Amino acid sequence: QTVVTQEPSFSVSPGGTVTLTCGLSSGSVSSTNNPSWYQQTPGQAPRTLIYSTNTRSSGVPDRFSGSILGNKAALTITGAQADDESDYYCVLYMGSGSYVFGTGTKVTVL
Amino acid sequence: QVQLQESGPGLVKPSQTLSLTCTVSGGSISGGDYYWSWIRQPPGKGLECIGYIYYSGSTYYNPSLKSRLTISVDTSKNQFSLKLSSVTAADTAVYYCSRLTVAKDVFDIWGPGAVVTVSS
Repeated sequence: QTVVTQEPSFSVSPGGTVTLTCGLSSGSVSSTNNPSWYQQTPGQAPRTLIYSTNTRSSGVPDRFSGSILGNKAALTITGAQADDESDYYCVLYMGSGSYVFGTGTKVTVL
Repeated sequence: QVQLQESGPGLVKPSQTLSLTCTVSGGSISGGDYYWSWIRQPPGKGLECIGYIYYSGSTYYNPSLKSRLTISVDTSKNQFSLKLSSVTAADTAVYYCSRLTVAKDVFDIWGPGAVVTVSS
């Protein structure tokens, strides 16, 4: 069973930069996994931020960016704002129709 | 713009069948590069893709749920549905329906979610 791993939590200062990663329990993440990223605040449905590794969804501020860093997918928030305090999930396409969500990262802005 | 809305019972007894429907508005469920998916989130936990369906009826089921799962589509009503049989407390979760754009591998539109509790 594939496990998609994310850091459990991160803290960032207002205006600061934070990079979240999304890796595999076995193997490397590449663009063929078409990583996507989602933001979720408590009690709300997820919001789509990034797809196809680095394409921002409509209306998403350009302080959010996606990339591949080494053997992981990455989401970078540059110039963090208070309302960026949320849970963030990645999704990887694993082939054969399988989409696997990451374990999620809780980001605190303080 | 396309919107999704889940509906169904919020309380299901153990061993019974959980049934939810997702109504698609603002666009047709038929055609295009879109699959229609179900995703769930147990309390305090992460997200899990349950499965998805194309308007033609072709499906993908999460292997861990496949033996209990049925996803169907009703194009005349612009709806798709989830049935999960033999439920236990572990199936208690918020259930989301979502549009999956396969060409980009992205869940790009989400319903608000439906809370389903499994309890006697």
